[in-house]
Amino acid sequence: GEDVEQSLFLSVREGDSSVINCTYTDSSSTYLYWYKQEPGAGLQLLTYIFSNMDMKQDQRLTVLLNKKDKHLSLRIADTQTGDSAIYFCAEDSGYSTLTFGKGTMLLVSP
Amino acid sequence: DAGVIQSPRHEVTEMGQEVTLRCKPISGHNSLFWYRQTMMRGLELLIYFNNNVPIDDSGMPEDRFSAKMPNASFSTLKIQPSEPRDSAVYFCASSAPSSGSTDTQYFGPGTRLTVL
Repeated sequence: GEDVEQSLFLSVREGDSSVINCTYTDSSSTYLYWYKQEPGAGLQLLTYIFSNMDMKQDQRLTVLLNKKDKHLSLRIADTQTGDSAIYFCAEDSGYSTLTFGKGTMLLVSP
Repeated sequence: DAGVIQSPRHEVTEMGQEVTLRCKPISGHNSLFWYRQTMMRGLELLIYFNNNVPIDDSGMPEDRFSAKMPNASFSTLKIQPSEPRDSAVYFCASSAPSSGSTDTQYFGPGTRLTVL
């Protein structure tokens, strides 16, 4: 079955870069996603990457995809306190469904 | 665009009572998903609908849980009778038709359910 794995917690200082890692198992996934969940809110799409790409950059966000190792990462440059949230990696699972990881809690300290 | 709307935002009830959670998806979206989020199990897909038809309800924990989608703009998730272990945040999400494009899901703000 499909399983998406993430580390549970990451702590960084304001201004540093954050790297959140994810591994997935379904090599047939077409798209891979990063969602952000702030306290008391629903998940919000941050960015996604098509499976035939190995990198996508969007302002402070850089997504790297290694299809051979089924590894996905999200790098946040110049991390701010407002970036503190839970970040979910997800892969498409067919029939419009997504399989989510358990989320990585990012804590940014001043 | 109002986004996905869920009500109520918070629900506190006593064990044994019936609970009904409501969701209005984004207009034009034809897939709707119900998720449950807890600290222990993370985000779990309970059931999803496509064009108002339930496609996969294998994530529904027990017969106490039921979901309906009578039309394209409304869905309910009902728990009867409720138990303390049902306490969680319940999210509704919707997505637009995908044919060679992403399956991006748009989440509502969630309903925080507490069963005493």
